Amino acid sequence: EIAMTQSPLSLPVTPGESASISCRSSQSLLHSSGVNYLNWYLQKPGQSPQLLIFLGSNRASGVPDRFSGSGSVTDFTLKISRVEPEDAGVYYCMQPLQTPLTFGPGTKVEIK
Amino acid sequence: QVQLQESGPGLVKPSETLSLTCTMSGGSMSPYYWDWIRQSPGKGLEWIGYISYSGSTKYNPSLNSRVTISVDTAKNQFSLKLRSVTAADTAVYYCARWLGGSSGAHDYWGQGTLVTVSP
Repeated sequence: EIAMTQSPLSLPVTPGESASISCRSSQSLLHSSGVNYLNWYLQKPGQSPQLLIFLGSNRASGVPDRFSGSGSVTDFTLKISRVEPEDAGVYYCMQPLQTPLTFGPGTKVEIK
Repeated sequence: QVQLQESGPGLVKPSETLSLTCTMSGGSMSPYYWDWIRQSPGKGLEWIGYISYSGSTKYNPSLNSRVTISVDTAKNQFSLKLRSVTAADTAVYYCARWLGGSSGAHDYWGQGTLVTVSP
């Protein structure tokens, strides 16, 4: 089973500033095709998770361009530029490379 | 627009079977995978398993012996059965569409349903 870790677990951010969340996997998520199988989700309070980034760096439909994903192999980063109040919630990284699919513990982003 | 809706009892007694159904509307079940994911109170997300539109399944080994996922494509529904439940199975259960190898993304989720295991 691929274990996922995230840091920090809690992140207070001032609106307009940027924020970065790190995600690490216990095994490589780099497929032989050259694609990294790492996705990011945001769970806003009281809601279901929503897809932000897939395959490491591709924004899902409707996701603002202030969200960006980067990284490769076992180290990945989600960056939020110019944080807005509606960005509050818990951010999860997740690996869909092999079953069981596994999620990181989540990073709670709090808007100051 | 694809929509997913979970349904089933919100309270299950210990040692009994948890049964949930997810109804999909606004799309086709083919050629996708259909997942169950749960979230224990105040905790993170745990993948339970998936079923493909054609009926192939994969389960989390941590639950493997207690889980069955089935699909009824005629009704656009898929279902979860979790046997011999304990308090540790108390969670919000989500159904979601999984795109599989193309992106590995869960692009549509249900709103989730809370299932409490209690006498």
